[in-house]
Amino acid sequence: NAGVTQTPKFRVLKTGQSMTLLCAQDMNHEYMYWYRQDPGMGLRLIHYSVGEGTTAKGEVPDGYNVSRLKKQNFLLGLESAAPSQTSVYFCASSYTGFHQPQHFGDGTRLSIL
Amino acid sequence: GQQVMQIPQYQHVQEGEDFTTYCNSSTTLSNIQWYKQRPGGHPVFLIQLVKSGEVKKQKRLTFQFGEAKKNSSLHITATQTTDVGTYFCAGRGAGNNRKLIWGLGTSLAVNP
Repeated sequence: NAGVTQTPKFRVLKTGQSMTLLCAQDMNHEYMYWYRQDPGMGLRLIHYSVGEGTTAKGEVPDGYNVSRLKKQNFLLGLESAAPSQTSVYFCASSYTGFHQPQHFGDGTRLSIL
Repeated sequence: GQQVMQIPQYQHVQEGEDFTTYCNSSTTLSNIQWYKQRPGGHPVFLIQLVKSGEVKKQKRLTFQFGEAKKNSSLHITATQTTDVGTYFCAGRGAGNNRKLIWGLGTSLAVNP
């Protein structure tokens, strides 16, 4: 089992460009999450999904969109990248709810110039 | 809104010394989870505490959940260089607040 796989691992964008981060999990987990991690800010939840076809906003959703067309995949989109979105992005999944352990991917290090 | 405060923010210890990080919530939690993130790595789940007053041990790590379910602690006995990293607590609110609320983490440095 690969667990949670994030693609790409690194990316540099110019301001205004768009991109999609892909997260795939092979554990048959219902819940999936996107976090951003910035120095001194801990982990902040961007969006999450409680099952295929569902998405919901976290605490910092502005500037991001998500889709969960297949149970195993959770996509995070940046429509028009801004330097403030420079961060490390982590995808995570859990079996059936927030009360269960979250399994994280290795992260995507995104720089926006 | 609900907050989870984690102290200290940073801790430097000599190898062999003990280390403790504390997690305090403004409201009662239904459970609390602890994660470890090595430098350059991703958070890895360590343990979950659910019951009031619960104490769990993993080798040199001891986890406690307060009687009021509003605070928790992680204690490492005789630290080793492999303990280096950031330790996060994440509490799940009781009632309708289902999401995990993350602490900002405690970064542990161990001098050999």
